[in-house]
Amino acid sequence: DTGVSQDPRHKITKRGQNVTFRCDPISEHNRLYWYRQTLGQGPEFLTYFQNEAQLEKSRLLSDRFSAERPKGSFSTLEIQRTEQGDSAMYLCASILGPLSDYGYTFGSGTRLTVV
Amino acid sequence: GQNIDQPTEMTATEGAIVQINCTYQTSGFNGLFWYQQHAGEAPTFLSYNVLDGLEEKGRFSSFLSRSKGYSYLLLKELQMKDSASYLCAVTPRSSGAGSYQLTFGKGTKLSVIP
Repeated sequence: DTGVSQDPRHKITKRGQNVTFRCDPISEHNRLYWYRQTLGQGPEFLTYFQNEAQLEKSRLLSDRFSAERPKGSFSTLEIQRTEQGDSAMYLCASILGPLSDYGYTFGSGTRLTVV
Repeated sequence: GQNIDQPTEMTATEGAIVQINCTYQTSGFNGLFWYQQHAGEAPTFLSYNVLDGLEEKGRFSSFLSRSKGYSYLLLKELQMKDSASYLCAVTPRSSGAGSYQLTFGKGTKLSVIP
């Protein structure tokens, strides 16, 4: 595996339903990030894991959002009781160790549409 | 807080040179990234500057002035495939336990025309 994988690529859900997204980072990368991007905006930080520990959460991450990385490998992002404002591209990114010249590797994202 | 400004849109001609500017104000600084993002795709890494000066990578160069809170991305010999959004992003913190989260600008949509 040479990249960050995200599943599904697209998700359409009705308002009020729960959704879960999965991210598989590059295997040796210990830092994993979730970002959200709406149309015409840059990505916004949601949360960060180092190995299995969730070390930082943005104020954007309301109580309806929860993220896990149970074994320090893949991660899931769950949104409960979805709202139309949750419609966005959800991006996962990973990086190995401290900041490097190679930046973050982003996955292709999950595009969520709440109808 | 953090504030990052970049032009919303730019248009340039195939084969020409274009400079995309970015200004930032952050509570701390640990480097500036440029990313390219084609419509509907994930951002891809272009460059990283942490010291003042110019970094060159093929047709792309990136410049940083920390004292001015200013960076630019220079694209030479423009090709049609360079039509994309270009995102400026700053890492505002540095510490042993720092998250190195990125704060992105809104992006500059570059259109390359024949």
